[in-house]
Amino acid sequence: DTAVSQTPKYLVTQMGNDKSIKCEQNLGHDTMYWYKQDSKKFLKIMFSYNNKELIINETVPNRFSPKSPDKAHLNLHINSLELGDSAVYFCASSQDTSASYEQYFGPGTRLTVT
Amino acid sequence: AQSVAQPEDQVNVAEGNPLTVKCTYSVSGNPYLFWYVQYPNRGLQFLLKYITGDNLVKGSYGFEAEFNKSQTSFHLKKPSALVSDSALYFCAVREYTGGFKTIFGAGTRLFVKA
Repeated sequence: DTAVSQTPKYLVTQMGNDKSIKCEQNLGHDTMYWYKQDSKKFLKIMFSYNNKELIINETVPNRFSPKSPDKAHLNLHINSLELGDSAVYFCASSQDTSASYEQYFGPGTRLTVT
Repeated sequence: AQSVAQPEDQVNVAEGNPLTVKCTYSVSGNPYLFWYVQYPNRGLQFLLKYITGDNLVKGSYGFEAEFNKSQTSFHLKKPSALVSDSALYFCAVREYTGGFKTIFGAGTRLFVKA
């Protein structure tokens, strides 16, 4: 069983479109995250949710809107896609918000905006 | 703000030789340090962490890391490298900004030659 899953794995779309990425974890974790990994492999947190509540919101354009319908799911909707949004987006989860817990990552969604 | 530095973009080692991937950190307060590995086209996988206690931490796949407070380092080591260890390695630290978030280093690419 996949612990953290994301769909789709690949997403190719044109500038100006709106797209969503879905994430699900079956680990029973309370906390979920979205990360962006750029072409140089630099990894940066975007959002973090704990029990469906937003707790971390980094400096991310308003075009990005996360939604957590329940603590096992965290989706990412992106409006008006731009070329600079091209990246690999990773979902992750951890047991809770404690500093001592490691994170479990999904396989990533490679977004290409043309 | 907390930060981690991985001074080497790439480390090359022959199979069977010991390997070290370097990481230094800058934190205020107690550090919560992690190592993750990323294989091509995959999400990050947790290797090991230092929270408190013994300075030598053992993790997955035969990896270990030594926490050195005086040198503010947390280097990843393995006594005998395998070709299959070739991957991208990330050092990370947890930072509290209203919620705990993970700050990742830039990553070090490890090449193990047969």
